[in-house]
Amino acid sequence: DAKTTQPPSMDCAEGRAANLPCNHSTISGNEYVYWYRQIHSQGPQYIIHGLKNNETNEMASLIITEDRKSSTLILPHATLRDTAVYYCIVRESGTASKLTFGTGTRLQVTL
Amino acid sequence: KAGVTQTPRYLIKTRGQQVTLSCSPISGHRSVSWYQQTPGQGLQFLFEYFSETQRNKGNFPGRFSGRQFSNSRSEMNVSTLELGDSALYLCASGLFSNTGELFFGEGSRLTVL
Repeated sequence: DAKTTQPPSMDCAEGRAANLPCNHSTISGNEYVYWYRQIHSQGPQYIIHGLKNNETNEMASLIITEDRKSSTLILPHATLRDTAVYYCIVRESGTASKLTFGTGTRLQVTL
Repeated sequence: KAGVTQTPRYLIKTRGQQVTLSCSPISGHRSVSWYQQTPGQGLQFLFEYFSETQRNKGNFPGRFSGRQFSNSRSEMNVSTLELGDSALYLCASGLFSNTGELFFGEGSRLTVL
């Protein structure tokens, strides 16, 4: 079973920041938080991952709380192309490439 | 740099038949994993191969099998197809077996009639 809880859907106006929350209250010390997204009918796309510290790349920022029980993915300036299902995944180091996907958050970016 | 290539992209089979799907990972990647996506169950892990060895297997019946070749290309096979096997089958490749990002292909959409 997925170890994460995400809201089923969110809306965001184009140009605004999209903040997608994720709860992972049972996360353990050697588990990473990964974010992927899936645009309709395409394969999932890696966005970002982190262990303890906040991370930023060209796509997004990942904010992990100090107790690591929750995190937020931030898309700083959402565009219509960011409309997708976003998956927050807890991945244990050393468990091969097994990702346990939950139901994700369907982000709808609107004009 | 070419991405993950899956073939065929679409196929239709009938119950009882078998099917083989192919995945060519990104050059240099040695890890290949397979996922099944259905509307009811979402994305589920099937298995992962690294350096021709199966490293991990999901909770699927023995009708689902796979293999990896020395050039890292992988195939998965489903025998005695059932209607419930209709799904999008996704392949992902990665540099390492247990860390880092995975790169997914566009998938093979299987319809079982």
